[in-house]
Amino acid sequence: AQKVTQAQTEISVVEKEDVTLDCVYETRDTTYYLFWYKQPPSGELVFLIRRNSFDEQNEISGRYSWNFQKSTSSFNFTITASQVVDSAVYFCALSEARTGNQFYFGTGTSLTVIP
Amino acid sequence: GAVVSQHPSRVICKSGTSVKIECRSLDFQATTMFWYRQFPKQSLMLMATSNEGSKATYEQGVEKDKFLINHASLTLSTLTVTSAHPEDSSFYICSASTREGGTSGYTFGSGTRLTVV
Repeated sequence: AQKVTQAQTEISVVEKEDVTLDCVYETRDTTYYLFWYKQPPSGELVFLIRRNSFDEQNEISGRYSWNFQKSTSSFNFTITASQVVDSAVYFCALSEARTGNQFYFGTGTSLTVIP
Repeated sequence: GAVVSQHPSRVICKSGTSVKIECRSLDFQATTMFWYRQFPKQSLMLMATSNEGSKATYEQGVEKDKFLINHASLTLSTLTVTSAHPEDSSFYICSASTREGGTSGYTFGSGTRLTVV
C-alpha cells in the first residue's frame, strides 16, 4: 500500500496565484516525520520542511506554508503568490522511526507556474 | 549544516561496463546510508539501506549482485552498477542518516544521472 499519496500529478497556475499541493500519508507508528522536498530540473532534492508527528502546529516560511492535520493524515503545502522559480516537482515524504528512518516518497506533483 | 557529497553528477557509460557512484558525508558520521533510484517522471524508490560495516539490505526486486553497495566507513558509501544496461539508466540519489535519525534530519546527495548507451 502506498504510504504517501500525492493525488495531484501535475498542476499549472498563473504567476501570483496561490497553489496548494496535497499530501496524504498512512502509518501505524505514533512517531514519524513528514517532509516536503522540491526537485528542480537539475535533479537535486531541496529540503523544504520537516515536521514530527507530535507537532501539529502549522508553519509559515515566507510564501510557503504547511498545514499538518493528524485527524485526516494530511500534510498539505501552500505556495502563496507563486513565481516562475517555483516550477519544479514537489515530493512529500514520510519517515517512520520503526523502519529505521527510511523515506517513503509520494509520487510527486509537478508544478508549472506560467508567467 | 550536514552535507552529503555525491559524485559523479552525470555519467555516460557503455553497455556492459560498471559504474561506481560515491556518497560522502562531509561533516558528520553517517551511520546509515540509503540509495534511491528515480526513473523519469517517477518517484524515488528505495533500493537499499546500508549500515557502516555490515552488508546492505536490499529492497525486493533489487538485484544485489548487480547493484553492489559498500559502506566501509562512517563517511563513505559506494554504489556500483555492474554490467550496466540501458534499462539501468536512471537518477540515483543517496541519503545519509545520523544516529539520531529523524530528530536531526537527513541529508540527500545531489544525485547521479546515469545514462547507459
